[in-house]
Amino acid sequence: KQEVTQIPAALSVPEGENLVLNCSFTDSAIYNLQWFRQDPGKGLTSLLLIQSSQREQTSGRLNASLDKSSGRSTLYIAASQPGDSATYLCAVRPENTGFQKLVFGTGTRLLVSP
Amino acid sequence: DAGVIQSPRHEVTEMGQEVTLRCKPISGHDYLFWYRQTMMRGLELLIYFNNNVPIDDSGMPEDRFSAKMPNASFSTLKIQPSEPRDSAVYFCASSLGGGTNEKLFFGSGTQLSVL
Repeated sequence: KQEVTQIPAALSVPEGENLVLNCSFTDSAIYNLQWFRQDPGKGLTSLLLIQSSQREQTSGRLNASLDKSSGRSTLYIAASQPGDSATYLCAVRPENTGFQKLVFGTGTRLLVSP
Repeated sequence: DAGVIQSPRHEVTEMGQEVTLRCKPISGHDYLFWYRQTMMRGLELLIYFNNNVPIDDSGMPEDRFSAKMPNASFSTLKIQPSEPRDSAVYFCASSLGGGTNEKLFFGSGTQLSVL
């Protein structure tokens, strides 16, 4: 059974720092991996989606990498801002399943202080 | 588009009462999902629909839970009777479909508290 782990559970950094969030999954047979952002009292917003054949995806200050064979992904946030404060979740789509059956991690709660 | 709309935002009820959560997906999306989020178990898929038809309800915890999608613009998740362990945030999400359109769009959720 696929399991997705995110460490640390919480992270606090001063504004301006570059930071890395980690996601690991137990079964490397995945179709793709997504990173989501969740603000307090809100739903999830998809940030980046990496196909299994890709190594990384970039959007603005965000860069997500994928090492499928080792079961790891990282989300790099450059020059962090207080507005980046949120919970970040990763989710994998196992191979031979539809996109409907994502397996989510429990998230990393990020706080960026001014 | 206003995005996925859920109501109510908060629901407080007593054990044994019936609870109905509502969702309006993004217009044109073929898929609708119901998720539950708790601190202990994270985000869990309860059920999803394709073109208003329930496809996979294997995540529905027990017979007290039921979901319907009478048309393309409305879905309900009902819990009857409710129990304290049902307390969680329930999210509805919709999607256009697979391939490059498989991104999920989430509503803001319903915070359910069963006393």
